[in-house]
Amino acid sequence: EAEVAQSPRYKITEKSQAVAFWCDPISGHATLYWYRQILGQGPELLVQFQDESVVDDSQLPKDRFSAERLKGVDSTLKIQPAELGDSAMYLCASSSREGARNTGELFFGEGSRLTVL
Amino acid sequence: QQQVKQSPQSLIVQKGGISIINCAYENTAFDYFPWYQQFPGKGPALLIAIRPDVSEKKEGRFTISFNKSAKQFSLHIMDSQPGDSATYFCAAGGFKTIFGAGTRLFVKA
Repeated sequence: EAEVAQSPRYKITEKSQAVAFWCDPISGHATLYWYRQILGQGPELLVQFQDESVVDDSQLPKDRFSAERLKGVDSTLKIQPAELGDSAMYLCASSSREGARNTGELFFGEGSRLTVL
Repeated sequence: QQQVKQSPQSLIVQKGGISIINCAYENTAFDYFPWYQQFPGKGPALLIAIRPDVSEKKEGRFTISFNKSAKQFSLHIMDSQPGDSATYFCAAGGFKTIFGAGTRLFVKA
């Protein structure tokens, strides 16, 4: 069964350091999402890509977060510098399209858990 | 972000009982209403979903009831089992998908 791959699974860093997370979506899925999930809360959308283009990054803290999907396949989310409040699970998801619209069904990876000390 | 309000925050049900989780949304532009199940240390996985042109959808022990005029929908888990113990998230989708805060379900054996 096809899966969304994420790495690393766990990352511990000190504040002010840079961190990066990688995601490889299900093959053929045009839409890729990065969500942040704070413990005990629901996932919060950070950025949404359609192929290689950002279509929504309204909730991405752009002073310290960046995301790219250069060839429209895998993606990287970077935080620089990390702050204590960035401790969370970073989830990547992908979805396919039916014609011009997303199917809406998101397939999630297992996430990257970040702890900032 | 546009809100999706979910209740209750936590739920304890006896084995064999019915678990009911409720959600309300604000934006009528949403056109896809999924429920996701998440186990500790894992990413959410789609459980069941409904589009607003129907009022109910059933898959096995899981049923979504949808009230378009009230902008509310709910998940019913019939014959709840200990293996159903997890966190459940409702969501509303359209251009993007917004999640509720989650309900932690514990099914007592």
